[in-house]
Amino acid sequence: SYVLTQPPSVSVAPGKTARITCGGNNIGSKSVHWYQQKPGQAPILVIYYDSDRPSGIPERFSGSNSGNTATLAISRVEAGDEADYYCQVWDSSSDPWVFGGGTKLTVL
Amino acid sequence: EVQLVQSGAEVKKPGESLKISCKGSGYVFTTYWIGWVRQMPGKGLEWMGIIYPGDSDTRYSPSFQGQVTISADKSISTAYLQWSSLKASDTAMYFCARRSSYEGEYYFDYWGQGTLVTVSS
Repeated sequence: SYVLTQPPSVSVAPGKTARITCGGNNIGSKSVHWYQQKPGQAPILVIYYDSDRPSGIPERFSGSNSGNTATLAISRVEAGDEADYYCQVWDSSSDPWVFGGGTKLTVL
Repeated sequence: EVQLVQSGAEVKKPGESLKISCKGSGYVFTTYWIGWVRQMPGKGLEWMGIIYPGDSDTRYSPSFQGQVTISADKSISTAYLQWSSLKASDTAMYFCARRSSYEGEYYFDYWGQGTLVTVSS
């Protein structure tokens, strides 16, 4: 089955740009979706179809996808962005819904 | 406003049965697939299975096939996840989520608040 690899943690200073990667074999040929999960809360969708933002998600959140790596970028990071972030793809196999292991974003 | 409201936390003993629910509102419940996602303590998200309430077509992750049963009652806009014999390893938070699609790609656009299931003797 398809595997997505994320770094366990990323740290960033307030006001800087955080970049969270999601690696997968030729992931650029798939659409990548990103979820934010704050402690004790349900996940929320922050990016879909590589780079589209649902309504209500700040423009500070952006996504890109090429080759073997997809990236979620959060510009002008705020303390409220501290959360776990998960990438997800849909793979046409017997186990189609694939999530990355998650990345904990820490705002210093 | 789209909402998925899940049933409350459960504490069960090993071997007991359980059925948790997820009620949808604010959209046509029968026209969107509803998935279930497990999150074990301190761990990541795992897809368990998905159901189309319109005709109850159901798909399971190979990891959960035979371990749980997913069902839906479209008359009351509710999806269910059930166990016939719980194990301690079923202790986790369980989320339902609505599947959406865009140009043939699938993702979850709305999530329930989660149901915590604790299995302990």
